[in-house]
Amino acid sequence: GAGVSQTPSNKVTEKGKYVELRCDPISGHTALYWYRQSLGQGPEFLIYFQGTGAADDSGLPNDRFFAVRPEGSVSTLKIQRTERGDSAVYLCASSRSARSKELFFGEGSRLTVL
Amino acid sequence: GQQVMQIPQYQHVQEGEDFTTYCNSSTTLSNIQWYKQRPGGHPVFLIQLVKSGEVKKQKRLTFQFGEAKKNSSLHITATQTTDVGTYFCAGSNDYKLSFGAGTTVTVRA
Repeated sequence: GAGVSQTPSNKVTEKGKYVELRCDPISGHTALYWYRQSLGQGPEFLIYFQGTGAADDSGLPNDRFFAVRPEGSVSTLKIQRTERGDSAVYLCASSRSARSKELFFGEGSRLTVL
Repeated sequence: GQQVMQIPQYQHVQEGEDFTTYCNSSTTLSNIQWYKQRPGGHPVFLIQLVKSGEVKKQKRLTFQFGEAKKNSSLHITATQTTDVGTYFCAGSNDYKLSFGAGTTVTVRA
């Protein structure tokens, strides 16, 4: 596709459940980022991939959060034992490289934990 | 860590008027970017500033990077209803962008 694609667009789950959010970046973009945005706030950095490896995961809130990008393209953000405080919009963004600062964001996955 | 603050949080503007939103960082930045997020949408890149004192214009939008590279501003002239949305600044010293909380703009016709 032409842009960053994220699925699902909406996810409602119960407290304690496991959730996976998928991101398909723009073809050829080597850098991939996950951000989290709560209502009325700016995007908050979670993790950055350069190629297949997580170059910086310092923004992940705790060990319930994990992300992979096994082939250097599609990435999956995984959240275990979800809590109500995890409710937010999870944004994925890609850029041509780490040196190319312009981020292209997807539409986001809105996660609601009941 | 690096913190980016934006003021005002909300800007209510009469159509046709000008306004400015400001961005301040707790540390010196290598570059700053601005994004616009329409209601219900995702952030969309507007511009990047790199040089100290740099000024860039996009039609009715003027972006400025401070001399000390710790602050930035966005000035919009002759506001239109299409300017509605939240404007975020994001500062960076490497690959990681730190976003401010944004200025949400509403326009009275």
